Amino acid sequence: AQSVTQLGSHVSVSEGALVLLRCNYSSSVPPYLFWYVQYPNQGLQLLLKYTTGATLVKGINGFEAEFKKSETSFHLTKPSAHMSDAAEYFCAVRPSGFNKFYFGSGTKLNVKP
Amino acid sequence: NAGVTQTPKFQVLKTGQSMTLQCAQDMNHEYMSWYRQDPGMGLRLIHYSVGAGITDQGEVPNGYNVSRSTTEDFPLRLLSAAPSQTSVYFCASSYSSTGGLSYEQYFGPGTRLTVT
Repeated sequence: AQSVTQLGSHVSVSEGALVLLRCNYSSSVPPYLFWYVQYPNQGLQLLLKYTTGATLVKGINGFEAEFKKSETSFHLTKPSAHMSDAAEYFCAVRPSGFNKFYFGSGTKLNVKP
Repeated sequence: NAGVTQTPKFQVLKTGQSMTLQCAQDMNHEYMSWYRQDPGMGLRLIHYSVGAGITDQGEVPNGYNVSRSTTEDFPLRLLSAAPSQTSVYFCASSYSSTGGLSYEQYFGPGTRLTVT
């Protein structure tokens, strides 16, 4: 079975500080990788995705993530946090060749003024 | 485009009652799926469909039924509601490659279900 691990259910940073949200996965085949953001009482919105090609991918709102195959990781970063980044973030995996998505348990990001 | 729509937004059921959660999309996506979201557990796949007439089970299918008679609609039926089915339910859709595999999903706003 596939698994997606997000280290830290809650992360708190100061406004202007670096944001780093961690995601590790287990997959027997090369996966497609996604980060989603969820604001309170809303559905999930795609931040960015990795399918093939360049391992550093850029998304919306200044976020980016790097696929590291050797570390089975897909960590999400943003150089400077903004108050509007406070939300819950989910990492998701779709193993290549399969049509099921697997989500991590989520990380709630708090941004302090 | 309205995207993915879900009705109702909120629902309270008594144990043993049945109901159908509605999901519709207007993006002509072949792939549709249902998830439940519980605190600390992320999203778990209930059922999914790769096209009209084709459905399959996800991680947590017990107690739920689906059917897909049109590309646009993918209703989720709770046969006999139980308190363990109290959750937030999300429907999602995705376009598919020529090989039938799906890419990023577009999510609806969710249905918050409470079973007493």
